Amino acid sequence: DQQVKQNSPSLSVQEGRISILNCDYTNSMFDYFLWYKKYPAEGPTFLISISSIKDKNEDGRFTVFLNKSAKHLSLHIVPSQPGDSAVYFCAARDQTGANNLFFGTGTRLTVIP
Amino acid sequence: DTGVSQDPRHKITKRGQNVTFRCDPISEHNRLYWYRQTLGQGPEFLTYFQNEAQLEKSRLLSDRFSAERPKGSFSTLEIQRTEQGDSAMYLCASSLEPAQFFGPGTRLTVL
Repeated sequence: DQQVKQNSPSLSVQEGRISILNCDYTNSMFDYFLWYKKYPAEGPTFLISISSIKDKNEDGRFTVFLNKSAKHLSLHIVPSQPGDSAVYFCAARDQTGANNLFFGTGTRLTVIP
Repeated sequence: DTGVSQDPRHKITKRGQNVTFRCDPISEHNRLYWYRQTLGQGPEFLTYFQNEAQLEKSRLLSDRFSAERPKGSFSTLEIQRTEQGDSAMYLCASSLEPAQFFGPGTRLTVL
């Protein structure tokens, strides 16, 4: 059963506009949420995280929002740049065991110049 | 480069052969994780080490899989009697909580 879901397999955005990537989860024991960016033939690269006790975390062009009541988080990238084109994975940490991450299936972002 | 490294980057093997992958984590990280990623999916947890102790294994890790982390430094993942279903990207990550930092992965193809 997929505990972390990314329902949009792809997203296209014009350069300079905002990209919004969404993620839903089911397990209320997750204590941290993370976003990773992945290029082909490379491992995922950590972008930004948010604790379950916060609702917003910002780092440069990247902002993550968490809505615990809806079990939903989103990553905003603004302004979007062509170099942001990649697959973005949402991940959640399970604090009850190994602190391993549960990943969504990814959203492929294409930023059009 | 002080990131996570993995070797080899690619491995092609015939069904029934044994393979071994190596991961060198970031030196000050005491937690090390192995994940597997197949096409169209996100990475899935296999096992993790705190220093040299293997503390948890996922049900994905069948008896043909074994992992070690001698002396709490590098780690190896061995797959015995490989099957075509083992074809995947094997990712290693080391952790400075809460973030996990991934290596480039080893892509295994079982013919």
